Amino acid sequence: DTEVTQTPKHLVMGMTNKKSLKCEQHMGHRAMYWYKQKAKKPPELMFVYSYEKLSINESVPSRFSPECPNSSLLNLHLHALQPEDSALYLCASSQRTSGSGTGELFFGEGSRLTVL
Amino acid sequence: SQKIEQNSEALNIQEGKTATLTCNYTNYSPAYLQWYRQDPGRGPVFLLLIRENEKEKRKERLKVTFDTTLKQSLFHITASQPADSATYLCALDLGSARQLTFGSGTQLTVLP
Repeated sequence: DTEVTQTPKHLVMGMTNKKSLKCEQHMGHRAMYWYKQKAKKPPELMFVYSYEKLSINESVPSRFSPECPNSSLLNLHLHALQPEDSALYLCASSQRTSGSGTGELFFGEGSRLTVL
Repeated sequence: SQKIEQNSEALNIQEGKTATLTCNYTNYSPAYLQWYRQDPGRGPVFLLLIRENEKEKRKERLKVTFDTTLKQSLFHITASQPADSATYLCALDLGSARQLTFGSGTQLTVLP
């Protein structure tokens, strides 16, 4: 069983809705990540938080808004999404935050998002 | 431009044989290379990490090699089993950016 918990597992939303994806880990990891994965494609990095501060934003549209309320929680707020944003959204955490490498990523099971 | 290529989209092998998956990269100088397993509809699961100064790493039936001259990593599963059927992803870690970049993956099917 994964130690990174994501909710909800499935989400269907209209283009005018506002919703949030949530991620929680209790491994004491200080780096947390959001990845987006389309079918038969690799995960693509969206955001990286290091010590609750946003350190990497991979040119993600502003309709995706990340938030890290504390070291265990990571949210992804969704607003005015497009049908092409439908994908599996993966949260991950890792122990290392220095310049010595990312280290092993622990992924959640993902939130399957469908935008109608 | 930077590229990470995994040898084929799909690989079928017979149970008991050794599966060999390839990860080639261009215009990267990774400090670390990782391999993950992903089952349908689930998040990737970490398998092995190898450093740029290591040639080979083993874990049970898994072996990874890393050749920075060829810019290639090979991932071997010996005595393969149908339960090994999954998509395998290589990921490059540049060491300083605190992020991984994933290859496209190889879907392995082990036939009974």
